[in-house]
Amino acid sequence: GAGVSQTPSNKVTEKGKYVELRCDPISGHTALYWYRQSLGQGPEFLIYFQGTGAADDSGLPNDRFFAVRPEGSVSTLKIQRTERGDSAVYLCASASGSSAEAFFGQGTRLTVV
Amino acid sequence: AQSVTQPDIHITVSEGASLELRCNYSYGATPYLFWYVQSPGQGLQLLLKYFSGDTLVQGIKGFEAEFKRSQSSFNLRKPSVHWSDAAEYFCAVGARSGANNLFFGTGTRLTVIP
Repeated sequence: GAGVSQTPSNKVTEKGKYVELRCDPISGHTALYWYRQSLGQGPEFLIYFQGTGAADDSGLPNDRFFAVRPEGSVSTLKIQRTERGDSAVYLCASASGSSAEAFFGQGTRLTVV
Repeated sequence: AQSVTQPDIHITVSEGASLELRCNYSYGATPYLFWYVQSPGQGLQLLLKYFSGDTLVQGIKGFEAEFKRSQSSFNLRKPSVHWSDAAEYFCAVGARSGANNLFFGTGTRLTVIP
């Protein structure tokens, strides 16, 4: 597709469960970012990939959160032992380089019940 | 500590009227400053960004922003608002030109009335 694709668009899970959120970046984009946006707040940085490696994971809130990008394209954000406070819209963005404009997907709305 | 303050949670303007959205920041180093727009059902879109040079920056969709170092402000303006400008606007600050580790404000929701 032409833009950043995130699946699923909505995910409801029970507290304590494990979830995976997928991001398909724009083809050829080497930089990939994950943010999360809680209700009424601005996006909050989670992690930045350059190629296959996490160049900056300083935004991951705790060790329940993990992200991978094994082939330098698709990325998966993984959340273990979900908590109600993890409920948010998780945004993915990609860019052609570390200094280039990033293009955001429409996000995955995660609800933990 | 870094922070971005957008003091106006919600602004309503008439179509054709001028617009100014306020943004104040606190940042320990020389900041990159950004304005993003988020429309319903759309992803965040970059309107403009500033790092150095001319303090008046032109962006897409007829928007501009002015950097004022003495006031730690980066206000967004548009001379004549269109109904399609109704959206949520976010100011952000970061250390680089890209989207790594940006710190966003809480946003200003813009409503445009006919």
